[in-house]
This record gives sequence, structure tokens and C-alpha cells, in this order.
Amino acid sequence: AQSVTQLDSQVPVFEEAPVELRCNYSSSVSVYLFWYVQYPNQGLQLLLKYLSGSTLVKGINGFEAEFNKSQTSFHLRKPSVHISDTAEYFCAVSDVSNYQLIWGAGTKLIIKP
Amino acid sequence: NAGVTQTPKFQVLKTGQSMTLQCAQDMNHEYMSWYRQDPGMGLRLIHYSVGAGITDQGEVPNGYNVSRSTTEDFPLRLLSAAPSQTSVYFCASRPVTGELFFGEGSRLTVL
Repeated sequence: AQSVTQLDSQVPVFEEAPVELRCNYSSSVSVYLFWYVQYPNQGLQLLLKYLSGSTLVKGINGFEAEFNKSQTSFHLRKPSVHISDTAEYFCAVSDVSNYQLIWGAGTKLIIKP
Repeated sequence: NAGVTQTPKFQVLKTGQSMTLQCAQDMNHEYMSWYRQDPGMGLRLIHYSVGAGITDQGEVPNGYNVSRSTTEDFPLRLLSAAPSQTSVYFCASRPVTGELFFGEGSRLTVL
């Protein structure tokens, strides 16, 4: 069965520094990949998604992610973070034949002034 | 366009009480689902539905019931609340393929 691992439960980073949030999944079958963001006391919203095509995916708020099939990874990056990026970030994966999403446990991004 | 609407936003129950969390979407999505979110455990699927009249269990269905009489509505019923059901509950919907759209959540405390 598919599983998703977000390697860091918290990532502290200084404002204007780059950040990478890591996500690995277990199965190498064809997958759809998603990153969602949850701001404090809010629901989740889609940050970006990979369905097919280019392995570099650009999302909202300057985030991007790269799909690496050989390493079964979908790491999220931003070159310069802002205090408003403080949130929890969730990686999710679904097999293309089964639309159920499998979720990682989340990574809290903590921006230090 | 309201999207996914959940009510109530907050609820406190005593052990053994029952209640219903309401969820409605106005995007004509066939797929709807309920998740619970607990610290350090991410999102766990409770029940889901792929269309009116069709429901199925997710990862943690015990203690919860659902029904889907219309495309728009997908209520979640707690039959006899327990402290272990203290959580934040999210309803989400999506088209057949594509991203999930989430409600703002319902925070439930069971004393």
C-alpha cells in the first residue's frame, strides 16, 4: 500500500532564506502528487500539483516542487520565505487508478524574523 | 460561489451524546469525504462518497455514520460521542479527477 513520509515535522528558517520541505512516497506506480497548505485555524488549500508532463511544477505564492520518479520524491521549495508563509504543509499522493489521497503527517514551517 | 461549507465551526459534547456535522458543496462534485485531523497524525479519512446514494468507509470509520441523499450534502453523524473523537473535522469535495476542496473545519471537543 502507498505511504507518504514527510521527513521533518518542523522546519525553522530565517525570513528571506530558502527552504525545502521533503516528501517521499513508497510506491513507484504511476501517481498524482499534491502539496497543500494549512494556515493557522483554517482549512487546507492546494499549493501545487503534479499530474503529468514537466517534472518541475510551479504553484501559488512562489512555491515550486520537483517530481523525481527514481527517488520517489516530491520536495517543495521556495527561494525566499516570508513571515506570511508560516503554516503547515501537507504532501499527498494518489495512484492514478485510485483517486484516494494518502497524506503525509505534515511539516510546520516556522519563519524566524 | 461558497465552495464547501461546514457547520458548526465549534461544538462541545458530553460523552454519549450524539450530533451531526453538516457539509454542503455547491460545485456539483460527485466525490465528497470527511477527514479528522489530530496533532502529528495528519489527515485520516473517515468516510467518503463517490455520488448520491453511495458511501464507503475510510481509514477510521468506527463511531461515525454518513449518508448521501443529494449531490450537495454529506452529513457526518457521531452516534455516541467519546473523548477519543475530540478532533478537528474537515469535509472535502472534488470532481472525478482533480484537487480536493476543503471546508474550514469543525472543532469538536468531547468531555
